[in-house]
Amino acid sequence: KNEVEQSPQNLTAQEGEFITINCSYSVGISALHWLQQHPGGGIVSLFMLSSGKKKHGRLIATINIQEKHSSLHITASHPRDSAVYICAVGIKAAGNKLTFGGGTRVLVKP
Amino acid sequence: DGGITQSPKYLFRKEGQNVTLSCEQNLNHDAMYWYRQDPGQGLRLIYYSQIVNDFQKGDIAEGYSVSREKKESFPLTVTSAQKNPTAFYLCASSIESHRVRTDTQYFGPGTRLTVL
Repeated sequence: KNEVEQSPQNLTAQEGEFITINCSYSVGISALHWLQQHPGGGIVSLFMLSSGKKKHGRLIATINIQEKHSSLHITASHPRDSAVYICAVGIKAAGNKLTFGGGTRVLVKP
Repeated sequence: DGGITQSPKYLFRKEGQNVTLSCEQNLNHDAMYWYRQDPGQGLRLIYYSQIVNDFQKGDIAEGYSVSREKKESFPLTVTSAQKNPTAFYLCASSIESHRVRTDTQYFGPGTRLTVL
């Protein structure tokens, strides 16, 4: 079993819809990261969080440490949000090594 | 502009040849990393370096080698010993070396290596 699991693997939405991507992990972590990878391959860091909630524009990330779960929400989705969203965790027991989920491929149709 | 550059974007090599992927950053970051990405899989750490002239093996270091002679440069050599070298390779850097890998990492655009 992977230490970081994302769901769904693929998601298709209509422009304007609210999107939620989930990330579950099975180990003690120091921080959780949400990353965005565009079709060209480049990766951008969206959020790093260790508790609570963060918001940036139409993106919201939440984490529940007790339940070992994080969600990334996209409000009023737009075709330019189409990308792969990757969850990564810093694992305490491994010297804060970053372990990555397999990613969620999001397609927003106009 | 500050950032991380990787070159080339696409690289083709014959089986059995060594190949070196370039990674340069002008962010003045101490720590640099190399990851490999395969279709449908999460990124996996190959090597990382927290400081000049020092580097550590990641999870899948076999068949790879690195050097860190300058703060801004962290080249990765894919050797002929790497059994399945065809993949997308991403370089990253972060500001705080003493906190290892929990800091925000800044990624380069990647190099897609295809071994024929």
